[in-house]
Amino acid sequence: GQNIDQPTEMTATEGAIVQINCTYQTSGFNGLFWYQQHAGEAPTFLSYNVLDGLEEKGRFSSFLSRSKGYSYLLLKELQMKDSASYLCAVRGTGGSYIPTFGRGTSLIVHP
Amino acid sequence: ETGVTQTPRHLVMGMTNKKSLKCEQHLGHNAMYWYKQSAKKPLELMFVYSLEERVENNSVPSRFSPECPNSSHLFLHLHTLQPEDSALYLCASSQTGTGENTIYFGEGSWLTVV
Repeated sequence: GQNIDQPTEMTATEGAIVQINCTYQTSGFNGLFWYQQHAGEAPTFLSYNVLDGLEEKGRFSSFLSRSKGYSYLLLKELQMKDSASYLCAVRGTGGSYIPTFGRGTSLIVHP
Repeated sequence: ETGVTQTPRHLVMGMTNKKSLKCEQHLGHNAMYWYKQSAKKPLELMFVYSLEERVENNSVPSRFSPECPNSSHLFLHLHTLQPEDSALYLCASSQTGTGENTIYFGEGSWLTVV
């Protein structure tokens, strides 16, 4: 089975930096995804990590450590529109191409 | 606007009704999915169709019935649902066989069972 853990809720200030952590225990590992989901909308793909290290995409970066079963999503220069739920999803091995999703972290950005 | 479109966006149905959710993907993908999203719970995979093969979560009740006539269209037929089935139902697609196989979601269908 697969177990994914991320904080339920976080708050941060506009213009600041926030780090959302995700820890996982899976049967093997074959990739980790981060999605953003605004209230009432579809989850949208943010990043994919399969190798250790940091992947940067503009204000968003995602880090992976496979040996520690750990990832984080780093959001810089926070904007009000970044208030959303952030979903971590992990794909194990064993022939399944389908990732398992965590419960998501609700991020609230305030002025 | 996403490459995966769902209709209707909102649906209210009685427990004795029969209704269907429709999904269409315009991304040329070869796999389509139904997910259920309830408050405070992780996304729950219900069904997957990939290369004409169907994979299902055994915990999904038989009152949910999927249909995939081709690689671009997916339906979820609903029959004698219960109030606890009220949730956001998300359709998604992906291209399997590639390294990443990123899943792309539609905007969802909000279902309320009364």
